[in-house]
Amino acid sequence: AQKITQTQPGMFVQEKEAVTLDCTYDTSDQSYGLFWYKQPSSGEMIFLIYQGSYDEQNATEGRYSLNFQKARKSANLVISASQLGDSAMYFCAMRDPRVAQGGSEKLVFGKGTKLTVNP
Amino acid sequence: NAGVTQTPKFQVLKTGQSMTLQCAQDMNHEYMSWYRQDPGMGLRLIHYSVGAGITDQGEVPNGYNVSRSTTEDFPLRLLSAAPSQTSVYFCASSYAHHTEAFFGQGTRLTVV
Repeated sequence: AQKITQTQPGMFVQEKEAVTLDCTYDTSDQSYGLFWYKQPSSGEMIFLIYQGSYDEQNATEGRYSLNFQKARKSANLVISASQLGDSAMYFCAMRDPRVAQGGSEKLVFGKGTKLTVNP
Repeated sequence: NAGVTQTPKFQVLKTGQSMTLQCAQDMNHEYMSWYRQDPGMGLRLIHYSVGAGITDQGEVPNGYNVSRSTTEDFPLRLLSAAPSQTSVYFCASSYAHHTEAFFGQGTRLTVV
């Protein structure tokens, strides 16, 4: 079965510094998608960044970048120049590749990493 | 631009009661799903739909029913609420399997 592992239950970073949140995944399929979501204390799920398994370049979205290492099956999120508003839970997720061709909404989530940005 | 709308935001049920969590999206997305989030865990898929009239089970479907009569709506029914169903429920939709999922604000359900 597909699985997402986030090994850091909590992370701390100083404001304006960069931080890397780890994510490893397990799949036997060649075609899949990886997502990162942010969940602030208010509870909503906010999409941050997407990486396709066939994308040759690492995805970037503003201060967010994804360090995609396909051979290692890792998709780490890098947040540059951390801000106080970045304090939140961060979830890594993978689109279930078993139904990728037919299309579905089956996202498999990791357990999340709680990031705290200190002033 | 409403996106994905869930109602209610909060609900308290007694064991054995039934209720329906509503989810509507105005983005004409084919793919919709329901997740539950429990403390210390990520989101787990309950049911999903790839289009009107098509639904399937996810990881934790027991105790829940869904239907998809229109593209816009995807209600989740709790047949006979149990304390184990106390959770935060999220509805999500997406345009295609390789695009991001848009989530509703969540429904915090407590079963006593």
